[in-house]
Formats: sequence, C-alpha cells, structure tokens
Amino acid sequence: DIQMTQSPSSLSASVGDRVTVTCRASQDISNSLAWYQQKPGKGLKLLLYAASRLESGVPSRFSGSGSGTDYTLTISSLQPEDFATYYCQQYYDARALTFGGGTKVEI
Amino acid sequence: QVQLQESGPGLVKPSETLSLICSVSGYSISSDYYYWAWIRQSPGKGLEWIGNMHHSGDSYYKASLKSRVTISIDTSKNQFSLKLNSVTAADTAVYYCARVGGATPFDYWGQGTLVTVSS
Repeated sequence: DIQMTQSPSSLSASVGDRVTVTCRASQDISNSLAWYQQKPGKGLKLLLYAASRLESGVPSRFSGSGSGTDYTLTISSLQPEDFATYYCQQYYDARALTFGGGTKVEI
Repeated sequence: QVQLQESGPGLVKPSETLSLICSVSGYSISSDYYYWAWIRQSPGKGLEWIGNMHHSGDSYYKASLKSRVTISIDTSKNQFSLKLNSVTAADTAVYYCARVGGATPFDYWGQGTLVTVSS
C-alpha cells in the first residue's frame, strides 16, 4: 500500500496566520491527492482534490500544491472555524486507499 | 443534498459479527458512477479504509481485512451495509460510510458511529 506521511502532527497558530501542512507519499501519486477537514464528532469534509482543485463551497483561503510524492495544504489566513484536524488521502491506487496521520491545528 | 447516516449496535462482543447500515438520502445508490464505502477511525490506527462496493457488485476491500469483511447494497432501501466478523478489541473504532467515485476522493461522509468491541 502507498504510505502517506503528514507533518507536523500538530501545530499552534493564531487567527490570521498562514498555515502550511505537508503530505508525502511513498511513491508518485500523480496529483491523486485529497485534503479533508475534520471537526470533533463529525465526519470528514472534502476541501481539495487533484492536489489543488477546490471543492465547491470551500473558502478560497484554502489552497493546495505539489506533485509527484510531495504535497502541501495552505490556509492563507486562519479563521476561528478553521481550528480542526486535517488529513491527506491518496486515491491513485483506488484498490488500496490510504490516509495520512492527520495534523491538528490548535489555537 | 446528499446525506449518509450510519446505524447499528454500539457494543459488540469479541468473536461476534459487527453489523452496520448506511442510509443514503438525496442520491440514488444505483448510480453507475459512484461506489459506496466504509472507513474506520481509531486512536491507534488513524483513518483506515475498509472497502468500496458498486451496485453492480464490483468491490474492493483492504487486503488485511478482506477475509472478514462483506459490504452489500440494498437498492430498494437505498442503503448499504457492513459486516465484519470475528471481531476483537482492535476493531473498536468510529465507523464512517461515504460516497466515492471510481478514481476520486470521498465526497460525502456520514457523521460516524462508535463501535466498541468488549465482553
């Protein structure tokens, strides 16, 4: 299976900060990468897919970049509702879908 | 609006079978494009994909769980289900159902249901 390694596992930030989360795949996944947000007690919410495409309704302060094995999620100006845990997921291998370990964004 | 809702027992005894149902509203489970998935989340293992099922019968399962897992679809009720047999404490997790395309991410998720394996 393709291993997905996220860093950092947690970070502290303030409202208005620029926040970056990275995700590394164990092999080239050709931009078949999604980012999700999870708040306590809730299911995951799709933010971006194909590494950089914003899901409908997601604020433009969220952006994604990367290629090959290395990908980045950036929140340009952190808002109070953005404090949550973020996960990456590869769907390059549709028969063995895998997630990163998560990054908790705390105040 | 597509909505998914998991239901089922919150407590299962070791060696027994875990059974959950996902009820889908706002979209037909008979769609040719989408598969229907189960994912679980535990403190120890993080997010773990379990498997996908298409209404045609096409399915993919995580290799390490394949021998214990069955996902089935009931198009008449617009529901799909998960059965995981011979459970142990390691199967304790929050179980989510979700919608997924053929080579796309999970775009809609349920809220999740906690299943504890304990005697």
